[in-house]
Amino acid sequence: SQTIHQWPATLVQPVGSPLSLECTVEGTSNPNLYWYRQAAGRGLQLLFYSVGIGQISSEVPQNLSASRPQDRQFILSSKKLLLSDSGFYLCAWSPWTEGNTIYFGEGSWLTVV
Amino acid sequence: GNSVTQMEGPVTLSEEAFLTINCTYTATGYPSLFWYVQYPGEGLQLLLKATKADDKGSNKGFEATYRKETTSFHLEKGSVQVSDSAVYFCALVVGGSNYKLTFGKGTLLTVNP
Repeated sequence: SQTIHQWPATLVQPVGSPLSLECTVEGTSNPNLYWYRQAAGRGLQLLFYSVGIGQISSEVPQNLSASRPQDRQFILSSKKLLLSDSGFYLCAWSPWTEGNTIYFGEGSWLTVV
Repeated sequence: GNSVTQMEGPVTLSEEAFLTINCTYTATGYPSLFWYVQYPGEGLQLLLKATKADDKGSNKGFEATYRKETTSFHLEKGSVQVSDSAVYFCALVVGGSNYKLTFGKGTLLTVNP
């Protein structure tokens, strides 16, 4: 069966420090991959999505970037964090054989102080 | 564009009460519809889905029927439990959009014993 792993689960970072959140999917090939952010108040915002290695689409201008160095690996990064980057970050994937269903990881809580 | 409107709540019920959370949508194209559930401090879990008109999705006692004529996908459960306390998100995806989910704002459900 397919599983998604996301880490770290929780992190506290000072303003201006770098960020790296990682996500891997197991048990499938060529998935679509997504990064969402959930700020206080529950709303979900799509940040990036990827349909293949090295192919990244950004949905909103921001202080973050994403990369897909391998088929089932998706990384969310920042060179210098801002206070406004705090939130709950969710990696998600969609199997290309069942393209319209998206499955989420457990999420990463980021607090920028 | 695509949009999802759901009752924002919060909704507070007693155990064994009947639950309805309304969800309506607008979409450019023929959407698939989803309900996701988020328990406190966790990621989103797919609760149920429907991919065509008149389909009924069901899981864990929850049901929702895809109503194309009213563009609705209301979530129902006949008898809620304390363990159902969570935030519920209605969402849609339209084929050809790289399967990017459009979410409602979420409905907080609290079930009291």
